[in-house]
Amino acid sequence: SYELTQPPSVSVSPGQTARITCSGEALAKQYAHWYQQLPGQAPVLVIYTDTERPSGIPERFSGSSSGTTVTLNISGVQAEDEADYYCQSADSSGTWVFGGGTKLTVL
Amino acid sequence: QVQLQESGPGLVEPSQTLSLTCTVSGGSISSAGYFWSWIRQHPGRGLEWIGYIYHSGSTYYNPSLKSRLSISVDKSKSQFSLKVNSVTVADTAVYYCARVNKLQQLVDYWGQGTLVTVSS
Repeated sequence: SYELTQPPSVSVSPGQTARITCSGEALAKQYAHWYQQLPGQAPVLVIYTDTERPSGIPERFSGSSSGTTVTLNISGVQAEDEADYYCQSADSSGTWVFGGGTKLTVL
Repeated sequence: QVQLQESGPGLVEPSQTLSLTCTVSGGSISSAGYFWSWIRQHPGRGLEWIGYIYHSGSTYYNPSLKSRLSISVDKSKSQFSLKVNSVTVADTAVYYCARVNKLQQLVDYWGQGTLVTVSS
């Protein structure tokens, strides 16, 4: 099985850009998706296939990919963006893995 | 709008079987483009994929849990179910059911989640 590694925490001031990384060898060949989980709620998809944004997700959320690392970018961070963020991918056999999650703190 | 709702006991004794059901509404459980999945989250921890099932009954399980798992589907009731055998306190978690986009391998709809506590 493979792993996806995320930093446990990221802190930014309001209005700044938050960057949350997700690393794993499989990401060189497989897409990654990003979910936001607000306290006490189910996760919500915010970025899919590395860079695409679902309808209804604010434009300040974007994604990028380079080699074995994908990055979730949140520009002009707002207090409401404070949440846990998880990356997720699947290998060619259909086995899924989630990253360990990153807690975004808005200072 | 697809909706998923988990149901089942909130308390299970150690060594017993955890059983949960997810009821799907607003969309067909027989749709060709989707899997139906279970995902759990231990208290204060990250997400763990349990497995998913296709409407045909084909299943895909997390290898680390496979020996204790069973996921089934009842198309007539628009439900799919999870059974975890021989539970321990380590199985205490919030259990989510979810719809998986089969092509993109992502969750597009989640249930609200249900807390299952394993305790005597």
